[in-house]
Amino acid sequence: ELKVEQNPLFLSMQEGKNYTIYCNYSTTSDRLYWYRQDPGKSLESLFVLLSNGAVKQEGRLMASLDTKARLSTLHITAAVHDLSATYFCAVDTGRDDKIIFGKGTRLHILP
Amino acid sequence: GAVVSQHPSWVICKSGTSVKIECRSLDFQATTMFWYRQFPKQSLMLMATSNEGSKATYEQGVEKDKFLINHASLTLSTLTVTSAHPEDSSFYICSASSLGGYGNTIYFGEGSWLTVV
Repeated sequence: ELKVEQNPLFLSMQEGKNYTIYCNYSTTSDRLYWYRQDPGKSLESLFVLLSNGAVKQEGRLMASLDTKARLSTLHITAAVHDLSATYFCAVDTGRDDKIIFGKGTRLHILP
Repeated sequence: GAVVSQHPSWVICKSGTSVKIECRSLDFQATTMFWYRQFPKQSLMLMATSNEGSKATYEQGVEKDKFLINHASLTLSTLTVTSAHPEDSSFYICSASSLGGYGNTIYFGEGSWLTVV
């Protein structure tokens, strides 16, 4: 059974700092997703990572995937308050597009 | 881009009544849709996989008779919470996958807040 673990679960950081969120998963998968969720809202798709070594960047966020280590990272560069949200990784189970979510990382960026 | 729409966005119902939530893929056909529930400050928990033209596949621990799923067309899946109780109050989110050039892309609906009083 696929298990997805994120850490940290909570993160409070100062504006301008860099930090990384980690997503580990337990079984082989060829697709990993990162989502953002604002309070009371649904999910916003950030990245889809499809292959080993994939790296994608959008603004201050960069995601990478190491399928051999079963690890993905979401790196935040020079954080700004607007990035405060909950970030989820989700891993494809390989069965009918079914994905399993991590517990999420609640990110609070202090001005 | 592809859009998945849920309706209603929020609903309040009395304990013991049933409530239906719709999930529509607006500009693509989805043979498979997924229903999730999310309690405050928790992650999304997959409830069931909705398959067009066949029975839904429920995750372990999800009551089939309580959460009725119907996927009658390639653009519509419905979740009916039967005999709702306050503990069913939650945020329900659906998703659908659209086949694209790099494989399927998953789109999420806006979510539906259910409050049972």
